[in-house]
Amino acid sequence: EVQLVESGGGLVQPGRSMKLSCAASGFTFNNYDMAWVCQAPKKGLEWVATISYDGSSTYYRDSVKGRFTISRDNAKSTLYLQMDSLRSEDTATYYCARSAPGIPYYFDYWGQGVMVTVSS
Amino acid sequence: DTVLTQSPALAVSPGERVTISCRASESVSTLMHWYQQKPGQQPTLLIYLASNLESGVPARFSGSGSGTDFTLTIDPVEADDTATYYCQQSWNDPLTFGSGTKLEIK
Repeated sequence: EVQLVESGGGLVQPGRSMKLSCAASGFTFNNYDMAWVCQAPKKGLEWVATISYDGSSTYYRDSVKGRFTISRDNAKSTLYLQMDSLRSEDTATYYCARSAPGIPYYFDYWGQGVMVTVSS
Repeated sequence: DTVLTQSPALAVSPGERVTISCRASESVSTLMHWYQQKPGQQPTLLIYLASNLESGVPARFSGSGSGTDFTLTIDPVEADDTATYYCQQSWNDPLTFGSGTKLEIK
C-alpha cells in the first residue's frame, strides 16, 4: 500500500525557516517524480514544486523560487521541502504527492498533509 | 499561467446525474485531471488525461473534453459524493488547479 506521511509543520514567525519531510513507503520511491502541493485555509490547491525521480531536476512556482528548496533522499525514501524567508501568505496545508509515471504530471497519491502557519 | 474556471457550487439529489465543468484559458490538449477532496481529507485522483478512470474509482465517475472545455460527470450521484472537485492541467507550465466545485447532496 502506497503511503506518504508528512511531518515538520507548525507555527513559525515571518522571515524564519521550516523544513517539511515526507516519508514514502509501499512503492519504489526512486522511480517516481515527487511534488509538494499546498492549500491555504478555505482555499484551493496550488502546485508548489516538483523534483525528478533522481533529484537532478527541480521545478518551482514563481512565488517560491529562491525561497523554497525541494530535495529528496532516495536511500531513505524521503522527500523534503526547505522553506526559507517565510511569509504570511505561505500559511497553508502542504501535501506531499506522487507524480504518476511519465510525462503527464498528475498526482496519483497524496499524503494527509501538514499545516504550516506563518505568524508573529 | 493557465487559468481553470469552475463553477463554485452545485446541489443535486441522490440518484441524479451531475456534470461539473472546467474551462481552461488556453488549450491544455487532453492533459486535464480531476480530483475529489472530502472535508478534512487529502485530495484523491478520479480521472486522468481527461477521460481515464483511476483504478478503484467507481464507474459512476467519467470525464470528457479536450482543448479548453472539460467535464466531470457523476451518474448516479450518491450521498458519499459530497466533496469539492478540482480540475488540474499539466499541459502548460506551471501546473495549475481550478478553484474547485463544491458538490452538495440534498
